[in-house]
Amino acid sequence: EVQLVESGGGLVQPGGSLRLSCAASGFTFTDYWMSWVRQAPGKGLEWVANIKQDGSEKYYVDSVKGRFTISRDNAKNSLCLQMNSLRADDTAVYYCAREGSGGTTFFDYWGQGILVTVSS
Amino acid sequence: YELTQPPSVSVSPGQTASITCSGDKLGDKYVYWYQQKPGQSPVLVIYQDNKRPSGIPERFSGSNSGNTATLTISGTQAVDEADYYCQTWDSSTVVFGGGTKLTVL
Repeated sequence: EVQLVESGGGLVQPGGSLRLSCAASGFTFTDYWMSWVRQAPGKGLEWVANIKQDGSEKYYVDSVKGRFTISRDNAKNSLCLQMNSLRADDTAVYYCAREGSGGTTFFDYWGQGILVTVSS
Repeated sequence: YELTQPPSVSVSPGQTASITCSGDKLGDKYVYWYQQKPGQSPVLVIYQDNKRPSGIPERFSGSNSGNTATLTISGTQAVDEADYYCQTWDSSTVVFGGGTKLTVL
């Protein structure tokens, strides 16, 4: 059974940093691109970043470029999102998601999500 | 690139619900649909325009042509009440529609 479990969320002040982690199990982690997707309270879904199987390619939504860094540790089957210079509009539930196969990006499994609140 | 969905759709139990997703030449891209119930993570219900993942009921179907993709739920049930999001991929960027709240009443 595919499982994605996020951790590391919480309350942080504007300008602060936070590191999210996602523990993956139930599938061959090195076979898949992985993504982070977020959802602000009461709002829709927004893709944040993704990373290739070997970590050699990474892509980000414009609003987080230069502030967020996605990474993965294939030896530990884990995905991370380092978030710096956090702003109030980064407040959201962050989902770790496995990308499906087929040449275009979509998400076939999602974690339960972790809340990040940026507030003073 | 933008995807436009109606904010809300209402349907009576047992009837057919249609949720649209519009974008420029959307028919040239693959479209994906997700269902999200309150307090839960999204679930993929349609991939590559019209394919159903295992475990998704046959009443869910999809189509995509021209500038519009459509998610159709035949014989809608109360358990189908949820938010639905369309999604595509353009120039290395993932794009989601704004979401449609489906009410079954």
